[in-house]
Amino acid sequence: EAGVAQSPRYKIIEKRQSVAFWCNPISGHATLYWYQQILGQGPKLLIQFQNNGVVDDSQLPKDRFSAERLKGVDSTLKIQPAKLEDSAVYLCASSRGTGANTGELFFGEGSRLTVL
Amino acid sequence: DQQVKQNSPSLSVQEGRISILNCDYTNSMFDYFLWYKKYPAEGPTFLISISSIKDKNEDGRFTVFLNKSAKHLSLHIVPSQPGDSAVYFCAASAFGGATNKLIFGTGTLLAVQP
Repeated sequence: EAGVAQSPRYKIIEKRQSVAFWCNPISGHATLYWYQQILGQGPKLLIQFQNNGVVDDSQLPKDRFSAERLKGVDSTLKIQPAKLEDSAVYLCASSRGTGANTGELFFGEGSRLTVL
Repeated sequence: DQQVKQNSPSLSVQEGRISILNCDYTNSMFDYFLWYKKYPAEGPTFLISISSIKDKNEDGRFTVFLNKSAKHLSLHIVPSQPGDSAVYFCAASAFGGATNKLIFGTGTLLAVQP
């Protein structure tokens, strides 16, 4: 079974520029998550999709971050304009259902963003 | 507000000995707990979990203990192996994990010395 795919792996941009990350979850997984992991911290949930609907985006900075999940499969996370504090690893994860006890989250390798 | 805390940023253990990683939480609504392991340049991978209705869950060399009254859980690795060297994240969720919204701790870097 193929894992969660993310691209690009690394991205360096200047502040106020825009960037987009792409994620392809494990086939058949209904739930998709975007996490932000700042150096020295644990992953923080930005947005959670169930199929192509948003379940939780309470911690997504909506003035600059946006995300969509096309046809309930792939997802993109966009940042525009980027700030220095957005430097982090952006992790995409997927799971079969919404319940943690129905199966753990499967994470991709992450996309490391550096904002100069 | 750090709801899940891992107060030890790092831990060094000799191969063959026991590794004990600790995690504390503040939210009494948390009722499902997980440990994830992360190697450099990789995403976290699930290791072991425990529901609040249990106080212990064991899987091979890995055992998680939950003390609800103290709001504390620990991960024991016995015996420790060099391949266990990684960052370990504790995570928690509420409502039996119905929303799967995991709150992660800051992680503990485990180094197992050969």
